[in-house]
Parts: sequence; structure tokens; C-alpha cells
Amino acid sequence: SQTIHQWPATLVQPVGSPLSLECTVEGTSNPNLYWYRQAAGRGLQLLFYSVGIGQISSEVPQNLSASRPQDRQFILSSKKLLLSDSGFYLCAWETDRSSYNEQFFGPGTRLTVL
Amino acid sequence: SQQGEEDPQALSIQEGENATMNCSYKTSINNLQWYRQNSGRGLVHLILIRSNEREKHSGRLRVTLDTSKKSSSLLITASRAADTASYFCATVNTGGFKTIFGAGTRLFVKA
Repeated sequence: SQTIHQWPATLVQPVGSPLSLECTVEGTSNPNLYWYRQAAGRGLQLLFYSVGIGQISSEVPQNLSASRPQDRQFILSSKKLLLSDSGFYLCAWETDRSSYNEQFFGPGTRLTVL
Repeated sequence: SQQGEEDPQALSIQEGENATMNCSYKTSINNLQWYRQNSGRGLVHLILIRSNEREKHSGRLRVTLDTSKKSSSLLITASRAADTASYFCATVNTGGFKTIFGAGTRLFVKA
């Protein structure tokens, strides 16, 4: 069966510090991968998606970046965090876009930037 | 811009009552999905309805889709305290790639 992992679960970082959040998927190959951010009490904002190794599409201009060094690994990074980067970050995967678009979500990382 | 917009934003009901949440969207879609999120957790997929379907059932869930009105509703029958969560609709546009999520409805079921 497929599983998706995210770590860390919570993170408190000072403004200006770097960030690295990791997401890995098990039990599937060549998934589409997504990074979302959710502000408190709000919906999901799509940040990045990837259809394959090294292929990253950015949805919102910001000081975040994403990388996919391996098929089932998706990393969200920042060189210098801003206060506005605080939020709940969710990674998700799906099999393909052809017919059935269910996404499977990880447990999330709650980031607080102070 | 957001595709799906849910209403109400928040809903409080008694256990045993039915809960209805609505979602409106703006463009042609391939399918519409409903997800559930418990506080501080990831989203869990509940049900998917395709653009050529009008109604779908799954246990106590009933989803309807009206493509002429660009709207969908999620009905939870005989609600339980454990149904307390946020519920999101999500749409995939015709020919599009991304799944767009709405802002969600927060449901609180009182025991």
C-alpha cells in the first residue's frame, strides 16, 4: 500500500533562517507531487507541483522553492524565511491526470516563523 | 483565483441532524471532489463526482452536481460528533492539470 511521509511535524524558525521540508512517498512510482500551504482556517494554496524528477512548476511567486531529486522525494526550501511563510504545509501525491484525480495527503508540517 | 467556493463557512448542528454544504465554481470541470480535514491533519478524500454524473452516494454521504449552475452539494445524513471537521470541495478544470481547493466549510456536530 502507498504511504506518504512528511517531516518535521512542527517547526519554529526565526525570520531570515533557511527552511527545508521533506516529503517522501512509498508504494508507488512516478507520482505527481504537490506542495500546498494552508493558512489558519483557510483553504489550500497550491505552491508547487511536479510530474517527474527535476520537473517543478511554480504557482505563486514567493521566496520558496521546490526540488524533486528522486522520483518519490519532494523538498520545499527557502533561503530566508519571512513572517508570512508561517502556515501549515501539506504534501500530496496522485497517480495520474488521465481520469481519476484523487490526491493523497501527508500529515502536514506546521511552520511558525518568529 | 479560487475555483471552488463553499458555503456556509461554518455550520453547527446537533448529532443526528443532516448537514448540507454547498460548493460553487466558475469554469468547466472534469470532476469535483470533496475532502475532509480534521484539525491539524492532512486532507482525506471522501468522494469524486464526474462532470457527466448528477448524484453519487457513499455511506452517509450524498453528493450532487449541477453543471448548469456550476454547483455541488455534500449532504451528510445522521451526523455524528466524529463528523466534526472541515470539508473542502476541489475541482479539476476540463483540460486542466491542477486541482483547485475551496476555502472549506467548518462543521461542528454537537453531541
